[in-house]
Amino acid sequence: DAMVIQNPRYQVTQFGKPVTLSCSQTLNHNVMYWYQQKSSQAPKLLFHYYDKDFNNEADTPDNFQSRRPNTSFCFLDIRSPGLGDAAMYLCATRAENQPQHFGDGTRLSIL
Amino acid sequence: KQEVTQIPAALSVPEGENLVLNCSFTDSAIYNLQWFRQDPGKGLTSLLLIQSSQREQTSGRLNASLDKSSGRSTLYIAASQPGDSATYLCAVPNDSWGKLQFGAGTQVVVTP
Repeated sequence: DAMVIQNPRYQVTQFGKPVTLSCSQTLNHNVMYWYQQKSSQAPKLLFHYYDKDFNNEADTPDNFQSRRPNTSFCFLDIRSPGLGDAAMYLCATRAENQPQHFGDGTRLSIL
Repeated sequence: KQEVTQIPAALSVPEGENLVLNCSFTDSAIYNLQWFRQDPGKGLTSLLLIQSSQREQTSGRLNASLDKSSGRSTLYIAASQPGDSATYLCAVPNDSWGKLQFGAGTQVVVTP
């Protein structure tokens, strides 16, 4: 049973057209993370939530925003996608002192 | 700043051989270390989590060791199978929030 669910699995958008990626969890974990993974590279943390407290990484571009309306859902908004934003976007959750659980990711392509 | 390195970047072994994957980190003050598997185009599957107080952790054919003083962890996969072909990543939390710093991974191919 999938515990961290990301939709859609594949997303294609146009250069500059806003796009939203979604993540939901059935684990009731209080921490949620968004990572960006480019081809053959390690995942890179964009931001995380501890409950509703939002924490942005210093080098995350302003183009990337996030919303967490409740414990179960978290969204990644890319306001004006550029070609360099094409990547796999991974959502993860965690309870304190427990392993992180990842979703299957959303692969974003920019035309 | 914590840096995580995985060597080799790629590894190919015949079926049945044992796999040894290496992970090193620069700051030994870690909370834990986690090993993941990633299949092409997929997300990450957690394999093992070793707490900082532990020396090793085992799950089936997988065994992970941790030596904090030398900044190293090793993942052993016994009697490899073609289904073990994947990229294996190690990661350590940067802080108490659990923000992970990943290595670039070791791509493993097990040939029948």
